Amino acid sequence: EVQLLESGGGLVQPGGSLRLSCAASGFTFSDYAMTWVRQAPGKGLEWVSSLTGSGDTTYYAGSVKGRFTISRDNSKNTLSLQMNSLSADDTAVYYCAKAKQWLPGNHDYWGQGALVTVS
Amino acid sequence: EIVLTQSPGTLSLSPGERATLSCRASQSVSTSSLAWYQQKPGQAPRLLIYGAFSRATGIPDRFSGSSSGTDFTLTISRLEPEDFAVYYCQQYGQSPFTFGPGTKVEIK
Repeated sequence: EVQLLESGGGLVQPGGSLRLSCAASGFTFSDYAMTWVRQAPGKGLEWVSSLTGSGDTTYYAGSVKGRFTISRDNSKNTLSLQMNSLSADDTAVYYCAKAKQWLPGNHDYWGQGALVTVS
Repeated sequence: EIVLTQSPGTLSLSPGERATLSCRASQSVSTSSLAWYQQKPGQAPRLLIYGAFSRATGIPDRFSGSSSGTDFTLTISRLEPEDFAVYYCQQYGQSPFTFGPGTKVEIK
């Protein structure tokens, strides 16, 4: 059974940093691209960042480029998102999601989300 | 950046009715790289359709996807009570892999 479990969310002051993690199990982690998607309170989904199965190609939304860094440790089946220079606009539930293939694409499994509050 | 526009914003229908949701891309989406997701309150999104037409594993056949150029459609042939939710389209042909703003399907 595929499971994705986010951790690391919480309350942070504006300008601060936070690191989210996503522990994956139930599939061959390195075979699939992974993605972070966020959802501000009462708003729609916003794609944040993706990386390929090997982790050597990364993609970022313009709103986070230069502030957020996505990475993965295929030996530990873990996806991470380092978030710096946070502002109130970054307040959201952050979901990690598994792609259906090695390159970023559609996402067949999602975690339950981690709440990040910048205040 | 490919901008996705979904319409209508809200669709008010009764169980058993047919729902037609639209997603229009601001430019061509490569190789039909368009997915549809369903999200219920307090839950993570669920993949319904990928590649514009293909149903994800376990998705009932009352859900179907189609496309015509830059216009994509999600059709729910007969609404069941559990189908009332918000639906999002997403393109994954070109980074940034944008989502549409969503269509809420509510009970009339």
